[in-house]
Amino acid sequence: GEDVEQSLFLSVREGDSSVINCTYTDSSSTYLYWYKQEPGAGLQLLTYIFSNMDMKQDQRLTVLLNKKDKHLSLRIADTQTGDSAIYFCAESITDDMRFGAGTRLTVKP
Amino acid sequence: DAGVIQSPRHEVTEMGQEVTLRCKPISGHNSLFWYRQTMMRGLELLIYFNNNVPIDDSGMPEDRFSAKMPNASFSTLKIQPSEPRDSAVYFCASSGDRAYNSPLHFGNGTRLTVT
Repeated sequence: GEDVEQSLFLSVREGDSSVINCTYTDSSSTYLYWYKQEPGAGLQLLTYIFSNMDMKQDQRLTVLLNKKDKHLSLRIADTQTGDSAIYFCAESITDDMRFGAGTRLTVKP
Repeated sequence: DAGVIQSPRHEVTEMGQEVTLRCKPISGHNSLFWYRQTMMRGLELLIYFNNNVPIDDSGMPEDRFSAKMPNASFSTLKIQPSEPRDSAVYFCASSGDRAYNSPLHFGNGTRLTVT
């Protein structure tokens, strides 16, 4: 398809792991990004992965990339209430960047 | 670095009025993007500049919208005349080197309400 696809909602309990999934469109994408948007703010770059990698870990964040299936995931370990936000997946291709619709993560105490 | 700076944060105006949104990109970045975000359509790219030159304006909705980048540190997005359907959050973003091969850094947006 033409769209970067994400589930719209995810709800987890504080302390659990969160996994946000994304399917992107173009196998020639060079970079794949995860952005976080808190209420009233812009999109904040969380992490990104180059297309020749299959995993990247950064503290509580783990990004997994499956190029064959064009699937990207973001795992947040020990999810906290401050992680509640909208998370956007994005792919960059030479002359374009495509964003998913965003996954709203709700963390319950 | 102060990040991408947008002004105003909020703008409320009446239909038919001219609206100007402003953006200061991160110093040293040579690509600048204007996005619009609504609940219905999500994030939409309106226009992007590279080295102050508009490269892709295919996302600009119609002639009522115009954008300029007179120098490397300033850009404006103008809507004239504004309409209620223009109500949205408008984001400016900048990136270094080549447009889409480095991450975009977003400002905090301007929330526009047209009554």
